[in-house]
Amino acid sequence: GAVVSQHPSRVICKSGTSVKIECRSLDFQATTMFWYRQFPKKSLMLMATSNEGSKATYEQGVEKDKFLINHASLTLSTLTVTSAHPEDSSFYICSASQWGETQYFGPGTRLLVL
Amino acid sequence: TQLLEQSPQFLSIQEGENLTVYCNSSSVFSSLQWYRQEPGEGPVLLVTVVTGGEVKKLKRLTFQFGDARKDSSLHITAAQPGDTGLYLCAGAAPGSQGNLIFGKGTKLSVKP
Repeated sequence: GAVVSQHPSRVICKSGTSVKIECRSLDFQATTMFWYRQFPKKSLMLMATSNEGSKATYEQGVEKDKFLINHASLTLSTLTVTSAHPEDSSFYICSASQWGETQYFGPGTRLLVL
Repeated sequence: TQLLEQSPQFLSIQEGENLTVYCNSSSVFSSLQWYRQEPGEGPVLLVTVVTGGEVKKLKRLTFQFGDARKDSSLHITAAQPGDTGLYLCAGAAPGSQGNLIFGKGTKLSVKP
């Protein structure tokens, strides 16, 4: 149990376009979903926390207008990178938890902005 | 701001050797989780420890949570090449509603 999926697994886009990444909890209802960014050979950096039906809470230094997060249901959260630029290229990982317990991570999405 | 210091950052050993990874903080955590991550994939949960002094075993892996719930260790016995990966510890602060503070990770390489 506790499976989290992400789609797409890889995406390449042109500079200036927007990219949407989906995160789904497949076998449990996720009251909270988290979005992380990971640079090569580094640990995870929390970007934002989202609770179903409410606005996401962004970490300091993360632009909320740049990284739009929607958590419309208990099994789906989306991260949209708006007007992507090469510096947004990274590995984005979501995780989901139920009632503040253990976080289960998705397989990640590799974004490359040309 | 709570910090979780993880060490060593890199570890390269031969198959069959033992190793220990440490995570330390000056703050108390309500729980601590250990993950293993392979390149290009998301972290996979290995264990969650919640009680001070708790010891959990997962085959050749032994996890310990400090009595004061400020530190934790991961010990691997007779490491195998399949153990190669990035090991991450992550702590949940009391009242944090599940937000995790991650250590910087330990990149383990086990050579045959």
